[in-house]
Amino acid sequence: DAGVIQSPRHEVTEMGQEVTLRCKPISGHDYLFWYRQTMMRGLELLIYFNNNVPIDDSGMPEDRFSAKMPNASFSTLKIQPSEPRDSAVYFCASTSEQGNEQFFGPGTRLTVL
Amino acid sequence: QKEVEQNSGPLSVPEGAIASLNCTYSDRGSQSFFWYRQYSGKSPELIMFIYSNGDKEDGRFTAQLNKASQYVSLLIRDSQPSDSATYLCVSRGVGRRALTFGSGTRLQVQP
Repeated sequence: DAGVIQSPRHEVTEMGQEVTLRCKPISGHDYLFWYRQTMMRGLELLIYFNNNVPIDDSGMPEDRFSAKMPNASFSTLKIQPSEPRDSAVYFCASTSEQGNEQFFGPGTRLTVL
Repeated sequence: QKEVEQNSGPLSVPEGAIASLNCTYSDRGSQSFFWYRQYSGKSPELIMFIYSNGDKEDGRFTAQLNKASQYVSLLIRDSQPSDSATYLCVSRGVGRRALTFGSGTRLQVQP
């Protein structure tokens, strides 16, 4: 299995631009999670899906952030408009209904100038 | 107060020693606890999980849980330089899938 796949691995953009991060979970996993990691705040859960349905989006910082999961093998996290304080590493993770372990993707390092 | 508290470190131990990593949690509803390891520039990976009071051993790693004291620890025996990483203490509530991460303890194993 290829594991959780994220793209792009690095993104540099200018303030005000739209940013779209992509994630392909491990095949057969029912849950997909989006996290953000910064030095100041550590690893924070933004939103998670179960069977493509958003379950908890209480961690989404504000309306500039949105996430979708149109099918079992693809999810996007969009930031519009982006701001310098959005600079962070964004991780996607997935797990199965019976599983305890969340498998993390390699992350997308986002820099907003 | 963060829900899961860890000393940020760095915790420095000599090669071959026992490294002891600790964390406390504030939510008494937390049921399961996990230790993830994260190398610099990499993604977190699960080392162990524990949900019953007491000790759980897996190779060189032992996780300890004391729900009365709301305390979780990870012991690494015969520490190796390759163990040098940030260790994240993680909790999960009953019936929940969301994980709450501590800020991590950086471990340095000196050769």
